[in-house]
Formats: sequence, structure tokens, C-alpha cells
Amino acid sequence: DIQMTQSPSSLSASVGDRVTITCRASQSVNSFLNWYQQKPGKAPKLLMYAASSLQSGVPSRFSGSGSGTDFTLTISSLQPEDFATYYCQQSYSTLWTFGQGTKVEIK
Amino acid sequence: QVQLVESGGGVVQPGRSLRLSCAASGFTVNSYAMHWVRQAPDKGLDWVAVISYDGSNIYYADSVKGRFTISRDISKNTLSLQMNSLRAEDSALYYCARGGTRLDYWGQGALVTVSS
Repeated sequence: DIQMTQSPSSLSASVGDRVTITCRASQSVNSFLNWYQQKPGKAPKLLMYAASSLQSGVPSRFSGSGSGTDFTLTISSLQPEDFATYYCQQSYSTLWTFGQGTKVEIK
Repeated sequence: QVQLVESGGGVVQPGRSLRLSCAASGFTVNSYAMHWVRQAPDKGLDWVAVISYDGSNIYYADSVKGRFTISRDISKNTLSLQMNSLRAEDSALYYCARGGTRLDYWGQGALVTVSS
């Protein structure tokens, strides 16, 4: 199975900060990399797909980059509603896998 | 609009079986691949299984292979997960989700607790 490793596991940031989360795959996943946001008690929500494509309705302060094994999710200016847990997920192999999550907390 | 609603969760003893269902609306389950993803309490997301849009391809995570069976009923537009030989570590909130290369719609989840 392809292992997905996110860093950091958690971070504290202030409203307006630029936040970057990284995701590394144990082998190349090409650009088959998606990002999800999950708030407590809610189902995950798709943010980015194919590494750098913004899902419809998602604010443009979210962006994604990378290919192969290294990917990043960037929030250009953190907003109060962005405090949540973020997961990367690969859909390159037939057995999909998620990263362990990155919790973004209020500083 | 697209909606996914899971049902069938509950408390079950180790070694017993449980069947989850996911009712889809706003699209047909034979037009998209459909997945089950689970989340243990206060843990991360764990992909469980997928059935392709035409039902010809089915894959399972190693942790559930041989115990869980994913299926769909086109006439009822539902997705199912038959879970046999349940273990304590299968306790989780089980989500159904739609997607070929990404999971663009999710249900709210069905809670499964495996405990004696």
C-alpha cells in the first residue's frame, strides 16, 4: 500500500496567517492527490483534487501544488472558519489511502 | 441535489455481523464509483472499500478483505457494506462517499460499535 505522511500533525496559527501543510507519498502518485477538510462532528469536505484543482465552491485562498511524491496545501490567509483537520488522500493505486491528518488550531 | 444517507449502524458483539446501507439521491450509483470510508473515534480517515461505476471492479483495504463485502442495488439506488467477523478495531463511524478519483460527496456516517 502507498503510505501518506502529513506534516505537521498539528499547528497553531492566527487569523490572517499563511499556512502550509505538506503531504508525502511513499511512492509516486503522479497527481492523483486530493485534500479534504473536516470539522468536528462533520463529514469531510473535498477542497482540492488532482493536486492543484480547486473544488467548486471552495474559497480561492486555498491552493495546492506538487506531483509525484511531495505535495502542499496552502491557505493564503487563514480565516476563522478554516480551523479544522486537513487530510491528503491518494487515488493513484486501487487501494486508496489517507494521510494521518493535520489539525489547524487557533493560536 | 446529491445526497447520501447511511443507515444500519449499531452495537454488535465481536465475531457477529452487521450490514450498512447508503441511500443515494440526486444521481445514480451505477454512474459513479462508490466507496466506504471509516473513522474510529478521535482518529483519522481510513479507506475501506470501493465498487466501480459498473460493478466490475471491487477492492478492499487489507484490514477488511475477506470479512467485508461491498455491493450495490441499482433498482434501489443504494450502496451496502456487509461486515462479518467484526472486531473491536472495526468500531468507527462509517461514511459512504461518491467518487472516481476523488470523493466529492459524503454521507453523515453510520456509527458501528463492536463490543461485548
